[in-house]
Amino acid sequence: LAKTTQPISMDSYEGQEVNITCSHNNIATNDYITWYQQFPSQGPRFIIQGYKTKVTNEVASLFIPADRKSSTLSLPRVSLSDTAVYYCLVGGGVGSGNTGKLIFGQGTTLQVKP
Amino acid sequence: EAQVTQNPRYLITVTGKKLTVTCSQNMNHEYMSWYRQDPGLGLRQIYYSMNVEVTDKGDVPEGYKVSRKEKRNFPLILESPSPNQTSLYFCASRRQGSQPQHFGDGTRLSIL
Repeated sequence: LAKTTQPISMDSYEGQEVNITCSHNNIATNDYITWYQQFPSQGPRFIIQGYKTKVTNEVASLFIPADRKSSTLSLPRVSLSDTAVYYCLVGGGVGSGNTGKLIFGQGTTLQVKP
Repeated sequence: EAQVTQNPRYLITVTGKKLTVTCSQNMNHEYMSWYRQDPGLGLRQIYYSMNVEVTDKGDVPEGYKVSRKEKRNFPLILESPSPNQTSLYFCASRRQGSQPQHFGDGTRLSIL
């Protein structure tokens, strides 16, 4: 199973773009990369998922280089309400050996300041 | 509304008294998981299920049991709770292995 490594914490200011990079050197061929956001005492919430290249939705973009050994979550123009913990998760792909077992990394605590 | 429902949300109990945390999802998802979350350790998977009657161990299964008799329900059983199982627990479900997970609101357990 692919282990992920993220920065423990990041600070930003309102209106800035924030990029959080996750390293997953032993990602399997069929694994997907999924990012979640978690507020205190709440369950994680899905942000974005990708397999390769770039994915964009209404809240974020996900950049995945060709070797897929890392990925970068990009949050455009953050606000105070984006202060949360962000988790990168790799796995779940059919044929990846075990689609049921998932390992979360430590997460990145993003603090957005006014 | 699509959701994962856990009960109870909070529980304080004593060592050795069997307890069950229920989890139910209304999205007809095949995959379900239980996680515990502790400060500094992030989310760790306890058990998961890929379908009815199909369950397997996650990273930290010791002291826990699960069952999946129906697709929508995935209860977590602590047969003899101990203080080191004091934690915040989350249930999650997803349609297939590669699909994003939907999480419940969490259950905070305190074992005295």
